[in-house]
Amino acid sequence: EDQVTQSPEALRLQEGESSSLNCSYTVSGLRGLFWYRQDPGKGPEFLFTLYSAGEEKEKERLKATLTKKESFLHITAPKPEDSATYLCAVREVGSGNTGKLIFGQGTTLQVKP
Amino acid sequence: ETGVTQSPTHLIKTRGQQVTLRCSSQSGHNTVSWYQQALGQGPQFIFQYYREEENGRGNFPPRFSGLQFPNYSSELNVNALELDDSALYLCASSRDPFLYGYTFGSGTRLTVV
Repeated sequence: EDQVTQSPEALRLQEGESSSLNCSYTVSGLRGLFWYRQDPGKGPEFLFTLYSAGEEKEKERLKATLTKKESFLHITAPKPEDSATYLCAVREVGSGNTGKLIFGQGTTLQVKP
Repeated sequence: ETGVTQSPTHLIKTRGQQVTLRCSSQSGHNTVSWYQQALGQGPQFIFQYYREEENGRGNFPPRFSGLQFPNYSSELNVNALELDDSALYLCASSRDPFLYGYTFGSGTRLTVV
C-alpha cells in the first residue's frame, strides 16, 4: 500500500537550533514530492516541489532535499515564526490525470524564543 | 490575485443531515480538488474536478459528491452525515496539477453532532 510517513510527529526547538524533518515514502513511482506549511485553522501553504533524487530547493531558512526513498526538510537557525505543522505529500505515477496528493500526518514544529 | 475562498468557515450539523460546502478557485485555475483533514492527520483526497467533470476520486463513499461550475467554482455535498465526517474540508485549485503546486483555501470546519 502506498504510504507517506513523517517523523518526528512533534519537534520542539530553541530559536537558532537547526534540525531536520523526515518524510519517507513508498509509492510505485514518484511524480513529485511536495512540502507544505500549515498554521492552526488554516489551509496548507505551498513550499516546495521536488521531482528527482538529488534535487534540492531552498527558501529562506528552509531547504528541501530528495532521495529515492525519503525527503528531508532542513531548518537552519529557526525563528518562532517558523512554528507550524509541516506536511509532506507525494503524487504517484499511477494518479492518471488527477493531481491526487497522498499526505503524511505532518510534523508539528514549535520554536521557542 | 485572489486566493482560494471557502464558505462557510465553520458549520455544525446533526447526524443524518445534508451539507453543502462552497469553494471559489483562484483566478485562472480550472482544476479543483477537495480534501478531508481529520484532527491531527494529513489531508485525504476526496475528488478532483477539471472543466466541470470529475476526473479522479479517492476512497470516499458515494454520499460525498461534488460539482464544478463554468466559472470553475465548486461545491462539495455530503449526504446522511455521520459523526466521523467531522473534519476540516479543504479546497485546492491549480492551473495545471502537473506543472504547478496547488493553492489551498483555509477550509470549512464541519462538526457533526
